[in-house]
Amino acid sequence: DTAVSQTPKYLVTQMGNDKSIKCEQNLGHDTMYWYKQDSKKFLKIMFSYNNKELIINETVPNRFSPKSPDKAHLNLHINSLELGDSAVYFCASGGAVGELFFGEGSRLTVL
Amino acid sequence: QKEVEQNSGPLSVPEGAIASLNCTYSDRGSQSFFWYRQYSGKSPELIMFIYSNGDKEDGRFTAQLNKASQYVSLLIRDSQPSDSATYLCAVGDSGYSTLTFGKGTMLLVSP
Repeated sequence: DTAVSQTPKYLVTQMGNDKSIKCEQNLGHDTMYWYKQDSKKFLKIMFSYNNKELIINETVPNRFSPKSPDKAHLNLHINSLELGDSAVYFCASGGAVGELFFGEGSRLTVL
Repeated sequence: QKEVEQNSGPLSVPEGAIASLNCTYSDRGSQSFFWYRQYSGKSPELIMFIYSNGDKEDGRFTAQLNKASQYVSLLIRDSQPSDSATYLCAVGDSGYSTLTFGKGTMLLVSP
């Protein structure tokens, strides 16, 4: 069983469209995250949830809206997509010593 | 703004040599330090974490931490071509904080 799974792995869409990425973890962790990795491979935190509650919301456009229906799931919805949103989006869950377990990533390409 | 600095590389070493990867961080309050390996097109995977000053060894990997110098390093002994990847240094503090990542150092191990 995959510990942290994301779907879809690839998204290709036009500017202005809306898209969602789903994430699920079966590690029993309370904390989940969304990270964005740009073309220069820089990983940057977007959101952090602890037991369904938003803990950290970095400076992210409000076109990005995370939702956590339960502590095992964290989804990301993006409205009105822009070219600059093209990146790989990683979901992660947080372990007992602060380490992160990453999903396989969702590569978003906005045309 | 917390910053984590890494030399982007590539760091090229021959097979069997010791690879030394370095990282500095700006926040003196940082408590936890992680090394991740990321193969091209894959997600980051945890190699090691270290909390206390000194060395921590795990197989061929040794993490070294010097909080006074705000410096953390990763040594890979007996480097193998399969170690060729980008190595990400990540720094965190306590509680629900997120990890701040460096931009990574690309390691190339030649047969």
